[in-house]
Amino acid sequence: EAGVAQSPRYKIIEKRQSVAFWCNPISGHATLYWYQQILGQGPKLLIQFQNNGVVDDSQLPKDRFSAERLKGVDSTLKIQPAKLEDSAVYLCASSFPLVREQFFGPGTRLTVL
Amino acid sequence: AQTVTQSQPEMSVQEAETVTLSCTYDTSENNYYLFWYKQPPSRQMILVIRQEAYKQQNATENRFSVNFQKAAKSFSLKISDSQLGDTAMYFCAFMNSYSGAGSYQLTFGKGTKLSVIP
Repeated sequence: EAGVAQSPRYKIIEKRQSVAFWCNPISGHATLYWYQQILGQGPKLLIQFQNNGVVDDSQLPKDRFSAERLKGVDSTLKIQPAKLEDSAVYLCASSFPLVREQFFGPGTRLTVL
Repeated sequence: AQTVTQSQPEMSVQEAETVTLSCTYDTSENNYYLFWYKQPPSRQMILVIRQEAYKQQNATENRFSVNFQKAAKSFSLKISDSQLGDTAMYFCAFMNSYSGAGSYQLTFGKGTKLSVIP
């Protein structure tokens, strides 16, 4: 069974530039999560989708971050414009609805200079 | 809001020995789930073990077991017969059992970096 796929694995940008990350969840997983993991900290939820609808985006900085999951499968997370403090690993996870175990992708490491 | 505290930033253990990682949490909920996730260097996070709060029996998965003390809000992970492949960051995480809005986010601690020494 294929796991959660993410790309790119690494990205380096200048502050004020834009960047987008892509995630493809495990087949059949209707629930998709984006987490931000800053160095030295545990992951923090940014947004949760159920199919193509947003369940929880209370911790998403909406002035610069956006996410979509148009067809209820893969998802894109965008940052525009990026700030230095956005340097982090962005993790995508997926699960079956109402199932507590989340499966994580390898993450995208973003460095903002 | 729930909080998860891991008080040991780094630990080391000799191969084949036993090590215990600590985790405490704060919640006003009665029903919830607790997890230990493992994040090897440059590899993805994987679930090690989970515990449902309503179950009194401690969860075990091969060499991994937990000591769940609900009243003390403590959830420690014991790794027996440590192997080199156990070297990783270990995160303790909390999830509410029920969410009316359907949000099942994981709240993580800051992690414990475990090194297994040959």
